[in-house]
Amino acid sequence: QQPVQSPQAVILREGEDAVINCSSSKALYSVHWYRQKHGEAPVFLMILLKGGEQKGHDKISASFNEKKQQSSLYLTASQLSYSGTYFCGRQQQTGANNLFFGTGTRLTVIP
Amino acid sequence: NAGVTQTPKFQVLKTGQSMTLQCAQDMNHEYMSWYRQDPGMGLRLIHYSVGAGITDQGEVPNGYNVSRSTTEDFPLRLLSAAPSQTSVYFCASSYYNPGQGSPEAFFGQGTRLTVV
Repeated sequence: QQPVQSPQAVILREGEDAVINCSSSKALYSVHWYRQKHGEAPVFLMILLKGGEQKGHDKISASFNEKKQQSSLYLTASQLSYSGTYFCGRQQQTGANNLFFGTGTRLTVIP
Repeated sequence: NAGVTQTPKFQVLKTGQSMTLQCAQDMNHEYMSWYRQDPGMGLRLIHYSVGAGITDQGEVPNGYNVSRSTTEDFPLRLLSAAPSQTSVYFCASSYYNPGQGSPEAFFGQGTRLTVV
């Protein structure tokens, strides 16, 4: 039931852009994005509720294609602080707490 | 405001032992859930609860029990620990806001469990 994320890992230089993809074989009611730094708890980035909706958080934005059951996270002009593992979460319709997370994408930003 | 508090932070168990991982939140959230995190597997849902007295199974519930007697607490019990349960365990809470749809989940700092 876990969404599939790609790529599994990516290394960027400061200022470069990246795209992280999330796809699900199950219907997506909404998509959550979280970032986890090493040894810490996951931290919320954003939620996308409607098909085609895009949201932004600083220079991080995301899109959600409900028909294709896909979401993409866009990181522009990456900063060192963006390093971490990014997870997408698929929500079932019944509630927000039963999120099914993808396997994660490890992003490393180097100077 | 403490948020979501998990205890203990670290634990080593012998195979066959039982223990309870504690999770408490002070935000009056209806929803609480437990995840385990293993390398390359991401976060997998073990059990979740939509309110006091109501629990349900997630993706990987075998070997774990939960109960929700109060809104604040959601303990996770390992009945007979096995090496396959070596993992980092995260508790999370959230609330339902019909005006905004699905709200964010707040995670505790995790419990690192090793079963030998």
